[in-house]
Amino acid sequence: GQNIDQPTEMTATEGAIVQINCTYQTSGFNGLFWYQQHAGEAPTFLSYNVLDGLEEKGRFSSFLSRSKGYSYLLLKELQMKDSASYLCAVREIGTTDSWGKLQFGAGTQVVVTP
Amino acid sequence: EAGVAQSPRYKIIEKRQSVAFWCNPISGHATLYWYQQILGQGPKLLIQFQNNGVVDDSQLPKDRFSAERLKGVDSTLKIQPAKLEDSAVYLCASSTDRGSEQYFGPGTRLTVT
Repeated sequence: GQNIDQPTEMTATEGAIVQINCTYQTSGFNGLFWYQQHAGEAPTFLSYNVLDGLEEKGRFSSFLSRSKGYSYLLLKELQMKDSASYLCAVREIGTTDSWGKLQFGAGTQVVVTP
Repeated sequence: EAGVAQSPRYKIIEKRQSVAFWCNPISGHATLYWYQQILGQGPKLLIQFQNNGVVDDSQLPKDRFSAERLKGVDSTLKIQPAKLEDSAVYLCASSTDRGSEQYFGPGTRLTVT
């Protein structure tokens, strides 16, 4: 099984930086995903980490430490449209024929203020 | 490329009634997932299909929920009979055999009264 913890809510100002932490416990790790979900909409993929280190993609970066069971999503140069819920999801080891199950955290609501 | 399609977008039913949701994944995506997302929570996997076979249904309440993907393309999820606690958004997602990313549909918002 898996336990995934992330803060419930964070508030930041337009133009600032926000770091959303995610800690997890898993019996078989096979990758960590970050998704963005605007209210009333479907989650959209932001980033994927399977090895330790930092993955950078424009204004968004994601970091993973497998030994610590820890990841963070860094949002730079915040814009109003970044106000959304950010979901951390851990994938279990699957079979030779299929991907393992994704276990999602409850999400972190980021509120960007002018 | 067309995204994951779901219908209906909204459904209101009374408890003990039945309901069905439909999903058409992205063309060529072998893996299809149904998730339940209760307000304020992350999505919870109900069932995962690889082509027309079930890979994981460990979190599907099988006494009332059923799902099928007969031809390995589109899929239906059924609830019979519905309970108040089934009120949630039901999300369908798909991915390729080799792709790690899941693409989500717009979801069906179910309200059970």
